[in-house]
Amino acid sequence: GESVGLHLPTLSVQEGDNSIINCAYSNSASDYFIWYKQESGKGPQFIIDIRSNMDKRQGQRVTVLLNKTVKHLSLQIAATQPGDSAVYFCAENWGGGSYIPTFGRGTSLIVHP
Amino acid sequence: DTAVSQTPKYLVTQMGNDKSIKCEQNLGHDTMYWYKQDSKKFLKIMFSYNNKELIINETVPNRFSPKSPDKAHLNLHINSLELGDSAVYFCASSPTGNNQPQHFGDGTRLSIL
Repeated sequence: GESVGLHLPTLSVQEGDNSIINCAYSNSASDYFIWYKQESGKGPQFIIDIRSNMDKRQGQRVTVLLNKTVKHLSLQIAATQPGDSAVYFCAENWGGGSYIPTFGRGTSLIVHP
Repeated sequence: DTAVSQTPKYLVTQMGNDKSIKCEQNLGHDTMYWYKQDSKKFLKIMFSYNNKELIINETVPNRFSPKSPDKAHLNLHINSLELGDSAVYFCASSPTGNNQPQHFGDGTRLSIL
C-alpha cells in the first residue's frame, strides 16, 4: 500500500503486480505533465508525458492518466519488475509561464521479488 | 554517447571554501538548468539559461553564480560554502519551448564538513 508521512511517500508492491503512483498538481493552468523515474545515484529520467488536451496516454508498460477536474495525475506500471524500483516524480508545466516545470514531492516505489 | 554530463560526481569540502561544478550537454539543447535536491528528494530549480542568457534565478543566495560560456555548458560556482549547501546538484537541459521534457545529468553530491 501507499504511506505518506514525514519521509518520502512509499509504495511497496510484489513483482508482477500492477503499480499506481498518484500525484496532485497545484496549477489549474498547467498544460503539460511529465513523469520521471530516478534510480539510486542517477538523475531523473523521462518516462512519459501528457498534454492537457488528453486524459490518457500509454507507453510500454506505463500509462498516464490525467484528471483536470481534480488536478490529479497517475502513473500506472503494469507487471511491475524489480528494476522499476526507484523514486518517481510528476512535474507540471504551464505554457504561459517560464516553461520551467514544477516537480512534485516524489514517491518511492519498492518492488519485492 | 549523447548525454548531460556533470563533474565531479562527488565533492567533499570544508565550510568556507569555494568550489565549482561543471556541466556539459551534447544534445544540442538551447536551455540548461541547475537543480538542488535535498535529503528528502525534493527537487528545486535554482537557475535556467537559454542560449547563454539567464532566464530564471530563483531565490538562491548570491554565493551561487552560474556561468554559461556557450549554450552547451552551464557551470555552477559556489562561494563560501555553508553546511546547508550539502545536497545533490543536478544539471539538466531541454530544447527551447513548452512541452519539452528535461534531460538530467547524474548529479553531484556535495558534502560540507
